Amino acid sequence: RKEVEQDPGPFNVPEGATVAFNCTYSNSASQSFFWYRQDCRKEPKLLMSVYSSGNEDGRFTAQLNRASQYISLLIRDSKLSDSATYLCVVNRGTNAGKSTFGDGTTLTVKP
Amino acid sequence: GAGVSQSPRYKVAKRGQDVALRCDPISGHVSLFWYQQALGQGPEFLTYFQNEAQLDKSGLPSDRFFAERPEGSVSTLKIQRTQQEDSAVYLCASSSARDPNYGYTFGSGTRLTVV
Repeated sequence: RKEVEQDPGPFNVPEGATVAFNCTYSNSASQSFFWYRQDCRKEPKLLMSVYSSGNEDGRFTAQLNRASQYISLLIRDSKLSDSATYLCVVNRGTNAGKSTFGDGTTLTVKP
Repeated sequence: GAGVSQSPRYKVAKRGQDVALRCDPISGHVSLFWYQQALGQGPEFLTYFQNEAQLDKSGLPSDRFFAERPEGSVSTLKIQRTQQEDSAVYLCASSSARDPNYGYTFGSGTRLTVV
């Protein structure tokens, strides 16, 4: 079993739809959580950090459930430009430095 | 610099050839990471530097892989006697804080193809 697991999708949604991605992690010692976005043949880019209290950035909302070791990303009012692969990332928050990436969930937003 | 710079962007190597991949992190960034990304998968951790110190090399797949950051800025990932399974995108990332909770800035990567 991988340390970070995501539904690979693909998710195909119309413009304006609301879509949610889920991610589970196995290491209960994990302390930091992130969502990255990766466009085709490009490098991953930090989308947002995920906090226990939940956080929102415009149309994007991230939630963390430490008890269930579960992270989610909600995208409201999807745009064509949201089409990408979304990577869930977990870090143990120690000086070890290593972050563990999921394999990503692919989203395609269609007109 | 304005971002993380990696070179070359593309490298085709014959099996058995040695390659060297360069990463120039954002100026002043203490932490530097190397990741390997195979097609359709997420990045896999290779190694981590804090300044010139290599604090974790647990992800290097074999002793053919070697990384260095001698002056705490530019880093080089060297792969000796390349094999076909080494074909992947090699991503370098840097972070401004000693605490990796701040997330990374990635370079554009080097796409290595071993033929």
